[in-house]
Amino acid sequence: QGQLVQSGPEVKKPGASVKVSCKASDYTFTTYGISWVRQAPGQGLEWMGWISGFNGNTNYAQKVQVRVTMTTDTSTNTAYMELRSLRSDDTAVYYCARDSVTGPHNAFDIWGQGTMVTVSS
Amino acid sequence: EIVMTQSPPTLSVSPGERVTLSCRASQSVGSNLAWYQQKLGQAPRLLIYGASTRATGIPARFSGSRSGTEFTLTITSLQSEDFAVYYCQQYNNWPGTFGQGTKVEIK
Repeated sequence: QGQLVQSGPEVKKPGASVKVSCKASDYTFTTYGISWVRQAPGQGLEWMGWISGFNGNTNYAQKVQVRVTMTTDTSTNTAYMELRSLRSDDTAVYYCARDSVTGPHNAFDIWGQGTMVTVSS
Repeated sequence: EIVMTQSPPTLSVSPGERVTLSCRASQSVGSNLAWYQQKLGQAPRLLIYGASTRATGIPARFSGSRSGTEFTLTITSLQSEDFAVYYCQQYNNWPGTFGQGTKVEIK
């Protein structure tokens, strides 16, 4: 019950920005939130932040707080994650996952397929 | 932030064996603990939430338990499709933090 479909792979130069989309279907978007999680090559999972599908409230990880913006478009049931001032260590697969509509969290029961973001000069 | 510590980093097991994976939280997270399975090239899949409740469609050979801040994922009679990396995650507090993972590999 429910699906998240993410945008395709991206290749960016250091200092650029990337915006990844996550389109929800088969559930009521505004009754859940979306968390973004990334995974560098061969590494573990790192939570980046959360956005409420109801009111757009956000909570960002301290590590990326100044460079990330998460938004939603409830008319298309889509969440977005924009990361600015990209560095090589931002190279990772970025996942969206269904989360709590408020906070702090629920278990992430639905995940997108992941979007590979490569940062390279 | 709460630190989640998983052990061991790698488990080498034979199909049919029983497997026990451990996860310890640096402070109380109540029962707000999830386990995920991740196969190579795939997104994580929720196995267990609330420390011991199987997610929809998860086989009964997967079970979770809690003792204080110590959590265990048990897989009885490991199947070939169970070879993967397993992550625990606490979702009691911001930020939701993951353990570093336990890789279950074929012996």
